[in-house]
Order: sequence, then C-alpha cells, then structure tokens
Amino acid sequence: EDQVTQSPEALRLQEGESSSLNCSYTVSGLRGLFWYRQDPGKGPEFLFTLYSAGEEKEKERLKATLTKKESFLHITAPKPEDSATYLCAVHPGGYNKLIFGAGTRLAVHP
Amino acid sequence: DGGITQSPKYLFRKEGQNVTLSCEQNLNHDAMYWYRQDPGQGLRLIYYSQIVNDFQKGDIAEGYSVSREKKESFPLTVTSAQKNPTAFYLCASLQGYNTEAFFGQGTRLTVV
Repeated sequence: EDQVTQSPEALRLQEGESSSLNCSYTVSGLRGLFWYRQDPGKGPEFLFTLYSAGEEKEKERLKATLTKKESFLHITAPKPEDSATYLCAVHPGGYNKLIFGAGTRLAVHP
Repeated sequence: DGGITQSPKYLFRKEGQNVTLSCEQNLNHDAMYWYRQDPGQGLRLIYYSQIVNDFQKGDIAEGYSVSREKKESFPLTVTSAQKNPTAFYLCASLQGYNTEAFFGQGTRLTVV
C-alpha cells in the first residue's frame, strides 16, 4: 500500500536554529515527491518537486533532498515567517493522484 | 491570472441537508481533485477526475458525490449520508503525472 509518513508532527525552533523535517514514503514507482507549505485556513502552496534519488532543490532558507526511501526539508536559520505546516506528497506510478503525509507543524519563535 | 477558485469560503449545513461546494480552474488542467482536511491532519482524497465525464473514488468517498461536465469545473456535493462533514475542503488540479498540483483556498464546512 502506498504510504507517506512525516516526522516530527510538530517542531518548535528558536529563530536562527536550523533543523530538518523528514518525509518517508513507500510507493510503487515514484513519479515525483512534492513539498508544500500551508498557512492556517489557506490552501497548500507549492515549494519543490523532486524526481530522483540524489536530487536537491533550494529556495531561500529551504533545501529539499531525496533518497530512495525518504526526503528531507532542511530549514537554515529560520525566521518567524517560516512558521507553517509543511506537507509532503508523492505521486505514485500507475495512476494520477497525490498521496499526502499528515504534515509537520513548524513554529519559529523570535 | 490563472488559478483555482473555490466558493464559498465558509459554508454552514443543517442536519439532513445536501450542500454543494464549487471548484473552478482556468489553468486548462485535465485532472482535478477533492481533498478533506481535519484539524491537525493531512489531506485525504475524496474523489478525483482525470478527464471530463469521468471520475474515481478516493479513500473517503462515502457520503460525497461529484460531477465533471466541463473541464473547468468539478463541484463536490456533501450529502446527508456523510455523518461527520465538518472539515476543511480543498480542491486541486494538475496537468500531468510529473507536475505539481495547484490548490484553491479551501471551503470550511460546518454543521449547525
């Protein structure tokens, strides 16, 4: 069964304290792994797509990496405005739908 | 600007009522999706459609119905058979297998 697990469920950081979020997945034939940011009461906002093991993408303080079994979202020197829920999703082979993890709620305090 | 529009933003349903949530996209995407999100949880797939006049059940389709008569529109009806409909509903679309999904801003449905 295709499955996505994110950890930790919640993470509290001090401003400037770097950390990583984890997304582990079990899918048949990965076509793509996606990271989204979601603010309270809003729809998810796309951040990155990763397609193959070893691939990395960066955007400002965020860097996403991918291995054969998991992906990491590294946050370097976070700011309070980085506080949000970060969602990981996979696009399995064989059918056109996205499977989401439960998300990591990140809170960055000044 | 291209995007996905969901309406209304807030919706209140009385017991035993059917309500319909609207989702319209002008991105010319073939595939459209409905997800449900409960507090502190991830997104669960209700229904999805890959082409006009065709749709498939997701993981939690019971108590919901959809139609896809036009490429741009994918309305979701929450029927009285859905016993716990209070949630945040998100509509999304994407073009192909390897592309990211675009989301609307969501509809918050509350049973009163």
